[in-house]
Amino acid sequence: SQQGEEDPQALSIQEGENATMNCSYKTSINNLQWYRQNSGRGLVHLILIRSNEREKHSGRLRVTLDTSKKSSSLLITASRAADTASYFCATDPYNFNKFYFGSGTKLNVKP
Amino acid sequence: KAGVTQTPRYLIKTRGQQVTLSCSPISGHRSVSWYQQTPGQGLQFLFEYFSETQRNKGNFPGRFSGRQFSNSRSEMNVSTLELGDSALYLCASSLGAAGGDTQYFGPGTRLTVL
Repeated sequence: SQQGEEDPQALSIQEGENATMNCSYKTSINNLQWYRQNSGRGLVHLILIRSNEREKHSGRLRVTLDTSKKSSSLLITASRAADTASYFCATDPYNFNKFYFGSGTKLNVKP
Repeated sequence: KAGVTQTPRYLIKTRGQQVTLSCSPISGHRSVSWYQQTPGQGLQFLFEYFSETQRNKGNFPGRFSGRQFSNSRSEMNVSTLELGDSALYLCASSLGAAGGDTQYFGPGTRLTVL
């Protein structure tokens, strides 16, 4: 499967703590994106990182990409209860013209 | 700009019936992709349409089909419904081709097959 795999599958933390989610994939990619989904609703785009980038920031979000290890991580700093959601990585494999989502990490931030 | 809209939001059908789902992309977006989300299989790519042409297709049987109109609106059709087709169907639009560009998702259509 070309799909990315997120790790951990579930994460429970206290408000104010940092949350780190990891994504691994199998083939070379053009870019990798992270999305958030609240309670079975539509997905919300968080960050797109291209294969020639190593790190990107957006507000409290920090994404890293290591193409040599075929992995990415999403760090949410100073988490809030509103960050409770499922987080997915999605890859655009090189030469596949398709878009693959990982299995997701379910994050629970306790107030 | 208005976001991606999907209709209907909820649908109940019985086995053997067929269903058509509709997706209106963000104005100016030319790519529309469809995904199926189930608890067991996760998010799976169904197909992508770009400028009225199917650009890619996922590993789904021929019962799943789609089309895109000249105004970029897209429809997805599932014929001879099976219980396993119960899922949340998500549509996403992007300016350029999916994967290379940010995709904006609609709220989804929840299909229940009885």
